[in-house]
Amino acid sequence: GNSVTQMEGPVTLSEEAFLTINCTYTATGYPSLFWYVQYPGEGLQLLLKATKADDKGSNKGFEATYRKETTSFHLEKGSVQVSDSAVYFCALSEPWDSGYSTLTFGKGTMLLVSP
Amino acid sequence: KAGVTQTPRYLIKTRGQQVTLSCSPISGHRSVSWYQQTPGQGLQFLFEYFSETQRNKGNFPGRFSGRQFSNSRSEMNVSTLELGDSALYLCASSLDGRGKNTEAFFGQGTRLTVV
Repeated sequence: GNSVTQMEGPVTLSEEAFLTINCTYTATGYPSLFWYVQYPGEGLQLLLKATKADDKGSNKGFEATYRKETTSFHLEKGSVQVSDSAVYFCALSEPWDSGYSTLTFGKGTMLLVSP
Repeated sequence: KAGVTQTPRYLIKTRGQQVTLSCSPISGHRSVSWYQQTPGQGLQFLFEYFSETQRNKGNFPGRFSGRQFSNSRSEMNVSTLELGDSALYLCASSLDGRGKNTEAFFGQGTRLTVV
């Protein structure tokens, strides 16, 4: 079945540092890939997505590129802020023409940014 | 445009009781999915409803059930509660779960504590 593996946290950074959170996936077809963010006490918010190989998703300074050859979708940000402290989830969905909305999530990576 | 609304936000129940959680999707969205989030297992898919029909189901016991109404609102029910059912239950809605419309929007969740 499908699976998502992401680096374990917590990732601790100082403000303005460069961020990378690794994510790799296993899927039988051609999934769509997502990064979601969860702030304390909240639900999940979609951060960015990519629906086909070589697509780059970007939002709020975060970006990730769909790499089919390495089955990866690493999240990056050039300069993190304290307000970026949250848990980040990498996820994939069934092939988009299957009709299903099922998301398979990684375990999540906690990011802690200090001033 | 209102987001996904889940009620109640917090619940405390006793082992053996049953509980019903409610989810109102974004207006116009017809697909509703439910996920369970625990520290140990992470985010796990429970089931998905589309046009009042369960379209997909995760690997959970029959104590977990759900339904969807004609206005796309959904409820999930857990009977004979166990301590291990303590979790954050998240509802996600999407337009119809097909093609590019698989983007899911999450509610803030219902925190269930079983004592």
